[in-house]
Amino acid sequence: DTEVTQTPKHLVMGMTNKKSLKCEQHMGHRAMYWYKQKAKKPPELMFVYSYEKLSINESVPSRFSPECPNSSLLNLHLHALQPEDSALYLCASSRDAGGATGELFFGEGSRLTVL
Amino acid sequence: GENVEQHPSTLSVQEGDSAVIKCTYSDSASNYFPWYKQELGKRPQLIIDIRSNVGEKKDQRIAVTLNKTAKHFSLHITETQPEDSAVYFCAASKRSGYSTLTFGKGTMLLVSP
Repeated sequence: DTEVTQTPKHLVMGMTNKKSLKCEQHMGHRAMYWYKQKAKKPPELMFVYSYEKLSINESVPSRFSPECPNSSLLNLHLHALQPEDSALYLCASSRDAGGATGELFFGEGSRLTVL
Repeated sequence: GENVEQHPSTLSVQEGDSAVIKCTYSDSASNYFPWYKQELGKRPQLIIDIRSNVGEKKDQRIAVTLNKTAKHFSLHITETQPEDSAVYFCAASKRSGYSTLTFGKGTMLLVSP
């Protein structure tokens, strides 16, 4: 299994809603990531979890709250978002064994629209 | 931090031609340079990568070259086909326990039949 699975594929929410994005991988990877991608732009790193611990938070607003319940799952909780947060949210994973290959495996993404 | 510049931003070629995309990086400690292809509405997918101890790597019609002294690396696609049309991102990172890739801004490659 070389897949990173994300749900939902599409999400429309209002600015007062609370929703969550989910990501799952069963490759035994120990690092998981959230990226945000706007149209015609490269992915921007938001968060990195390494061995289920938050290792990097790229100064992301607190209305985005990541959670890593176990080594296979990664969530992104959304609350009080703004229309400019509308984007494709990509989850990724990588093998993390000290001599990391660096290769990122991306999920298909969750396309978020904030009204 | 690392800064990756990518050129050109768009590239149009005829089917069968070669395409070259170039990237430069700023951090001499970077040692891993992947290229990702992203088709419209799809996820980025790794197509080839190179490490700093190697100058060139080939995989069928795709090759990547790295010049550590000049801090630039390039993607070469030969005998392009319409299905090569996509956005290509170069990236750079340093070895660590996890991958902190810095992406270039991307190149939209259009291959016309």
